[in-house]
Formats: sequence, structure tokens, C-alpha cells
Amino acid sequence: SAVISQKPSRDICQRGTSLTIQCQVDSQVTMMFWYRQQPGQSLTLIATANQGSEATYESGFVIDKFPISRPNLTFSTLTVSNMSPEDSSIYLCSVERDRVGYTFGSGTRLTVV
Amino acid sequence: GENVEQHPSTLSVQEGDSAVIKCTYSDSASNYFPWYKQELGKRPQLIIDIRSNVGEKKDQRIAVTLNKTAKHFSLHITETQPEDSAVYFCAARGTGTASKLTFGTGTRLQVTL
Repeated sequence: SAVISQKPSRDICQRGTSLTIQCQVDSQVTMMFWYRQQPGQSLTLIATANQGSEATYESGFVIDKFPISRPNLTFSTLTVSNMSPEDSSIYLCSVERDRVGYTFGSGTRLTVV
Repeated sequence: GENVEQHPSTLSVQEGDSAVIKCTYSDSASNYFPWYKQELGKRPQLIIDIRSNVGEKKDQRIAVTLNKTAKHFSLHITETQPEDSAVYFCAARGTGTASKLTFGTGTRLQVTL
């Protein structure tokens, strides 16, 4: 399965600041997905990142709050901007591989204080 | 968009018993249905998946069934063991260019001795 390196693994941030999460895949993939998992909840898709085009955001998520970069086919970043305590969650990146399915990075546990 | 419902939200079984988790989906064009196991503090791990052209798939103690007509699919775990205790998520992939997964709300499985 795809090896996905995600960092940071956790962070504690002050409200009003921003955090950028990085996701590196061991081989080229067309799409990368960013999810949020609030405590005790399921996974909610934030956006889909394609290389060379703007990310596609799901309902309830906007680019100003969650800007995404996808500079090449193995890397993506998600920024959580102007953070508030409600942004405290686990953020996960994911990729799809033929015959392997969708795999996830190890996640970033964000706490906003 | 796709909507996935999952039941039950919690399930407690005795070691050696079987566990069944059920999901329904709304998009009749959905074509891929994975199941994930998430242990506390870890990333979701794909345990089994099924595609829309297959009715049943089995992997050792785990099986998944799909009823396309009724738009539901189920996870079956036989001979449960304490290490099966985790949160399980079903998901469905709709059609279209995004190839995104929509997740169910999760089932917390507790296997007791």
C-alpha cells in the first residue's frame, strides 16, 4: 500500500494562528484527499487536491479557512487558518491506489487553545 | 451527494461470537465499498472492500456482503477476538470525477472475554 508521511503528528496552537500540515506520498497520485475527524466522530472530507488545479472543497469548507497546495504529484499541504478551539481535530490526508484502495496518513492531532 | 448510514453505533459481543455491522447508501451509482478499522489514536486501516459487481467477499474471519438493489452492505466478523475491539467505519464511493469516499458514522465494537 502507499506510504504516506504526514507531519506534524500533533501540535498545540494559539487561537488566531495558522498551522500547515504536510503530506508526502511515496509515488505519484492524481488526487489527494484531506479529511477532518473531530473527537469521537467519523471522517469528513474537507477537499480534494489535484495537481495543477485548485482544490475542490466540500460543503461547509472554504478556501480562505483551509487553503490547500498541490505543487506536484507526491506532495500536498493543508493550512488551517485563523484557528479557533472548534478547529481542534485530527486532520488526515488520503490517497487512492489501484487495487489497493484508499490509505491514510498517520494524522495530525491539532489542539487549539 | 452520497449519504451513508451505519448501524449500530456501539456493539458489544463476547469473544468467539459473531459481529455484524450494517450500512446503507443513497447513491445507486456508487461502485466501491470499503471497511476501515480504527484503533484508538491510530489511522483508519482498510480491512476489506467490495466492488459493485460482486455480492460477497471473504477474508479469513471477515466478510462483506453487498445488496445493490436494497443499497446496503454489511461487515461480518466471525470468531471475534479482543483485538477486534475498535471503531469500524463503512464508506461508499460515488461516481464522477472526484472519486471521493463518504463515510458512515462508525461502530464501536467491544469484544469482551
